[in-house]
Amino acid sequence: KQEVTQIPAALSVPEGENLVLNCSFTDSAIYNLQWFRQDPGKGLTSLLLIQSSQREQTSGRLNASLDKSSGRSTLYIAASQPGDSATYLCAVKTETSGSRLTFGEGTQLTVNP
Amino acid sequence: DAEITQSPRHKITETGRQVTLACHQTWNHNNMFWYRQDLGHGLRLIHYSYGVHDTNKGEVSDGYSVSRSNTEDLPLTLESAASSQTSVYFCASSDENRRYNEQFFGPGTRLTVL
Repeated sequence: KQEVTQIPAALSVPEGENLVLNCSFTDSAIYNLQWFRQDPGKGLTSLLLIQSSQREQTSGRLNASLDKSSGRSTLYIAASQPGDSATYLCAVKTETSGSRLTFGEGTQLTVNP
Repeated sequence: DAEITQSPRHKITETGRQVTLACHQTWNHNNMFWYRQDLGHGLRLIHYSYGVHDTNKGEVSDGYSVSRSNTEDLPLTLESAASSQTSVYFCASSDENRRYNEQFFGPGTRLTVL
């Protein structure tokens, strides 16, 4: 059974800092990995999706990397801003799970002005 | 723009009542999912559907049911609501043929069972 872990559970940084969020998974036979953002009381917004054949994806100040063999993904946020404050979740689709995703519990990020 | 909507956004009900949460998507996606989100558990899959008349149980399906009569809608029914079903419920959709099967989420329904 796939298990997804995100560490740390919470992170507080000053504005302007570059930061890394971590996601690890136990079954390396993944199809893709998706990073989401969730604002308080809101739904999930897809940020980046990395296919198993890719090593990284970039969107603006966000860069997500994937190392299948070690079961890890990182989300790098450059020059953080208070508007980046949210919970970030990673989710994995394995090769045998059909279209289902397995989610981590998320990292709650606070960027202080 | 295509979207996925949920209704109601907030619901308070009593133990033992039947409750139905609506989910409607205009993406024309084949796949639809229901999750619940609880502190300490993250998002857990309740039921999912890969197309009309197809439904499957997820990891926490007890006490819930779904039916898929068209592409756009997947209502979630709590047959006899229990306090343990107090949670935030999210609907999502995806399609195998689009954007690597990326999932898109609705805004959620906060359900309180008293």
